[in-house]
Amino acid sequence: EVHLEESGGGSVQPGGSQRLSCEVTGFTFSNYWMNWVRQAPGKGLEWVANIKPDGSETYYGDSVKGRFTISRDNAKNSLSLQMNSLRAEDTALYYCARDYNASGSLDSWGQGTLVTVSS
Amino acid sequence: QSALTQPASVSGSPGQSITISCTGTSSDIGGYDSISWYQQHPGKAPKLLIYDVRNRPSGVSDRFSGSKSGNTASLSISGLQAEDEADYFCNSFTTSITPAYVFGAGTKVTVL
Repeated sequence: EVHLEESGGGSVQPGGSQRLSCEVTGFTFSNYWMNWVRQAPGKGLEWVANIKPDGSETYYGDSVKGRFTISRDNAKNSLSLQMNSLRAEDTALYYCARDYNASGSLDSWGQGTLVTVSS
Repeated sequence: QSALTQPASVSGSPGQSITISCTGTSSDIGGYDSISWYQQHPGKAPKLLIYDVRNRPSGVSDRFSGSKSGNTASLSISGLQAEDEADYFCNSFTTSITPAYVFGAGTKVTVL
């Protein structure tokens, strides 16, 4: 069974940093593009970033470009999101999600980890 | 990347059919078939309903169908059921600035 589990959320002050992790089981992690998607409280979904199966390519949404870094460790079946220079508007539930066919078809999601940016 | 445009809400009675639109530009919906739709119930993670414009993952009811015309994608739900009450989001590949994906703002479906 495919399973994704995010961790690392919590409260952080504006300007601070946070690192999120996503541990996956049940599929061959190294075969899939992986994504981070976030959802601010009471708001819609926002695509954050994705990474190629071998980690050689990464892409970011405009709102996080230059501040967030997505990475992966295929040996550990783990996805990460390093978030720097955090702002209040980064407050959200962060989901990791698998891209089923490398065309943005996010077929498997974790339950999310909440990041709150507040002084 | 600007969010794709969806109606804020759509409603229908049980058994009826409804359609949710998702409007973008030639840099996203109009230019690519990497369009997907997600259903999200309160407090739950999103669920993939449709991928690549019109394909359904295994296990998704055939009451859900997707289509595209020009810069607008659509999700149709036939035989509306109480369990279909949820938020629905479209998503598209975009090259408006750099390769990326963009979600619609979401549509709340209410079953009357």
